Amino acid sequence: NAGVMQNPRHLVRRRGQEARLRCSPMKGHSHVYWYRQLPEEGLKFMVYLQKENIIDESGMPKERFSAEFPKEGPSILRIQQVVRGDSAAYFCASSPGLENTEAFFGQGTRLTVV
Amino acid sequence: AQKITQTQPGMFVQEKEAVTLDCTYDTSDPSYGLFWYKQPSSGEMIFLIYQGSYDQQNATEGRYSLNFQKARKSANLVISASQLGDSAMYFCAMRAADFGNEKLTFGTGTRLTIIP
Repeated sequence: NAGVMQNPRHLVRRRGQEARLRCSPMKGHSHVYWYRQLPEEGLKFMVYLQKENIIDESGMPKERFSAEFPKEGPSILRIQQVVRGDSAAYFCASSPGLENTEAFFGQGTRLTVV
Repeated sequence: AQKITQTQPGMFVQEKEAVTLDCTYDTSDPSYGLFWYKQPSSGEMIFLIYQGSYDQQNATEGRYSLNFQKARKSANLVISASQLGDSAMYFCAMRAADFGNEKLTFGTGTRLTIIP
């Protein structure tokens, strides 16, 4: 049973370009969470999605960031017109959505904006 | 709103000694869950241990135990017989009892270094 898969592991973008980060949840998991970790900081919640629905986006920046979790395929975190401050590690976690279960994390995507 | 506080930015511990990593939390939710994660230099987040707010006993997982003191709102991680491979960042996290929404609030972490 494969774990949560994130790709790419490392992504370099120039300022103004778009970054697309992908997350395939564990088999049987329908809930996906995205977190951002700035250098030397803890993880900060961004968005929680279920298939085709955004449930909680209280941690998403208001501009340039969007997320989706289509019926088929991975969840995508999209950052438009990246800036240096977007450089961070982005983690995806998935869960089956049952009570008292843990969320399992992927290995993260490290985005560097040059 | 939930808050996690980890007051130890860094710790140095001699190999084979026990170590306690501090975590205090603040929440108005009557039901919640507390987690510890390890992040080695390779960057992945490794789940270590979970404590539910209504659990009567402290959680244990191998060399890891969680010293849960509800009245003090603390959830310290105890690692017994530390090993060199324990050197990593350690994060305490909390989840509210919002059924189905398992978003976590993380502390700022403690960098643990085990000295041979």
